[in-house]
Amino acid sequence: AQSVTQLGSHVSVSEGALVLLRCNYSSSVPPYLFWYVQYPNQGLQLLLKYTSAATLVKGINGFEAEYKKSETSFHLTKPSAHMSDAAEYFCAVSEARAGGTSYGKLTFGQGTILTVHP
Amino acid sequence: EAGVAQSPRYKIIEKRQSVAFWCNPISGHATLYWYQQILGQGPKLLIQFQNNGVVDDSQLPKDRFSAERLKGVDSTLKIQPAKLEDSAVYLCASSLEASGRELFFGEGSRLTVL
Repeated sequence: AQSVTQLGSHVSVSEGALVLLRCNYSSSVPPYLFWYVQYPNQGLQLLLKYTSAATLVKGINGFEAEYKKSETSFHLTKPSAHMSDAAEYFCAVSEARAGGTSYGKLTFGQGTILTVHP
Repeated sequence: EAGVAQSPRYKIIEKRQSVAFWCNPISGHATLYWYQQILGQGPKLLIQFQNNGVVDDSQLPKDRFSAERLKGVDSTLKIQPAKLEDSAVYLCASSLEASGRELFFGEGSRLTVL
């Protein structure tokens, strides 16, 4: 079974400061890992994904994440926060299968609400 | 390209009543998912379809929830009878392939059960 733990349900930063959102996962097979962002009253939008290629993954809006197998982590970072980054962020895992496909079932963490102060 | 469409966006019902949600995935996407997102929690998969067949419904409360995707395109999720704990946002998502490497989500249908 797979699971995701996001450390910190709320993170608050100042505009221009580093954003760090933590995610640890558990999976019995090599994982695919994802970060999604959700703005109020909207669906989830994919920020970035790790699918067994480069361990440092770059996504949209200046976000990136690094897959660390030894630490079972996939933390999300952005060097300089914008007011527009304020949203809820979800880390998710799905299990990679032989042949490079995954089952498709995503297991999500509980989410981290990012607040950006002027 | 049109995104995943869901309706209604908001629904308020009394407990023990029934409700249905509709989803139209992105054109050509064979895989369709229904997720339940309770306030303060991450989305939880209820059911996954591949074309019009069910791939995974292990977390669907089958005594009250049902879902269908008859022609392999749009889908309906029904709750009957609703309970207070069913208050949540119901998210539909679709993916181009069974690998589901990228899921595209609709805006969700918010259900309030009084």
